[in-house]
Amino acid sequence: GENVEQHPSTLSVQEGDSAVIKCTYSDSASNYFPWYKQELGKRPQLIIDIRSNVGEKKDQRIAVTLNKTAKHFSLHITETQPEDSAVYFCAATYLSGGYQKVTFGTGTKLQVIP
Amino acid sequence: KAGVTQTPRYLIKTRGQQVTLSCSPISGHRSVSWYQQTPGQGLQFLFEYFSETQRNKGNFPGRFSGRQFSNSRSEMNVSTLELGDSALYLCASSPRLADSSYEQYFGPGTRLTVT
Repeated sequence: GENVEQHPSTLSVQEGDSAVIKCTYSDSASNYFPWYKQELGKRPQLIIDIRSNVGEKKDQRIAVTLNKTAKHFSLHITETQPEDSAVYFCAATYLSGGYQKVTFGTGTKLQVIP
Repeated sequence: KAGVTQTPRYLIKTRGQQVTLSCSPISGHRSVSWYQQTPGQGLQFLFEYFSETQRNKGNFPGRFSGRQFSNSRSEMNVSTLELGDSALYLCASSPRLADSSYEQYFGPGTRLTVT
């Protein structure tokens, strides 16, 4: 089955700096890669996603890159703010013929220090 | 639109009992997925239901089961509870319009404690 590794498990950055979280996956059939942000005590929320036919996607201060050959994708947050502090999860999803299977990374706890 | 709702929000059970959790998806969403979240294991996929049919299943024992009703509401059942079943159970709904459209919206979760 699919295996998703996420690094680092914890990350501390100064406010205004950039943060990068990396994930690798094993199943080349995975074709949809969402990122979720989960604040303490709250539900995970989709913040950005990328599909296998795209190499990069950007939405204001966050961006995601995908390298299909190397089977890794990364989340980039620029100009970090204290409200970016949360746990971030990556996921790799295989979608085909009405079936889906999603595997999550183990999460990265991001702390933005004011 | 109202978001995904889950009931109950908190539950305490003892070992050996069974429990049923409920999830109401966003109106119009036909897919409901269930996840188990624990501090040590992160988010683990349990199963997905779409149009009242289980579409896929994660690596959980048969004690974990679910179903979906014609209005897309879904229930998850865990029988013969074990201490290790203590976790936050999240459901997520999706419009599932096509294979390429799979944005998921999570509910607030049900915190299950097994004593």
